[in-house]
Amino acid sequence: AQSVTQLDSQVPVFEEAPVELRCNYSSSVSVYLFWYVQYPNQGLQLLLKYLSGSTLVKGINGFEAEFNKSQTSFHLRKPSVHISDTAEYFCAVMLYGGSQGNLIFGKGTKLSVKP
Amino acid sequence: DTAVSQTPKYLVTQMGNDKSIKCEQNLGHDTMYWYKQDSKKFLKIMFSYNNKELIINETVPNRFSPKSPDKAHLNLHINSLELGDSAVYFCASSHQGAGNSPLHFGNGTRLTVT
Repeated sequence: AQSVTQLDSQVPVFEEAPVELRCNYSSSVSVYLFWYVQYPNQGLQLLLKYLSGSTLVKGINGFEAEFNKSQTSFHLRKPSVHISDTAEYFCAVMLYGGSQGNLIFGKGTKLSVKP
Repeated sequence: DTAVSQTPKYLVTQMGNDKSIKCEQNLGHDTMYWYKQDSKKFLKIMFSYNNKELIINETVPNRFSPKSPDKAHLNLHINSLELGDSAVYFCASSHQGAGNSPLHFGNGTRLTVT
């Protein structure tokens, strides 16, 4: 069975500082990987995804993530955060060739950006 | 022009009542979902449905039932509400199939059972 571990439940950071949100997954087969963001009182929206190809994927709002198969990680990074990046971030995994109904989410990381 | 819309946004009700949450998508997607987000923000799939197949997460009580009048709607009915049903419920939609069709979420319905 697949599982997703987000190592930090909360990450406080100052504005314009770099940030990394960590995500590790467990699966015996190939997977797709996703990062979603949830702003307060809103639904989730897709930040970026890894399906295949280049292991460095770029998403919206200046975020990027790197797929590392040997470490089974998919950490999310941004070189300089803004106050508006304050939100909950979810890493998710899906079996290769599976359907969206099989999307397994991590427990989320709350990013708090302070002035 | 909201892509996935849910109503109501807030729902407060007493134990034992029956309630429904409505969901509509105007994206032309063929698959819709219901997710439950608990107080610790943990997201869990409840149902996925297209015009061919309903997939039910086996851990969902049968008090919960999805009903789809057409491809653009997937409503969630809950019977005999319990305190533990309090959560935020999210509707989502996508094109069925591989991961290159991301989920589009509604803004959620916060259900409080007293």
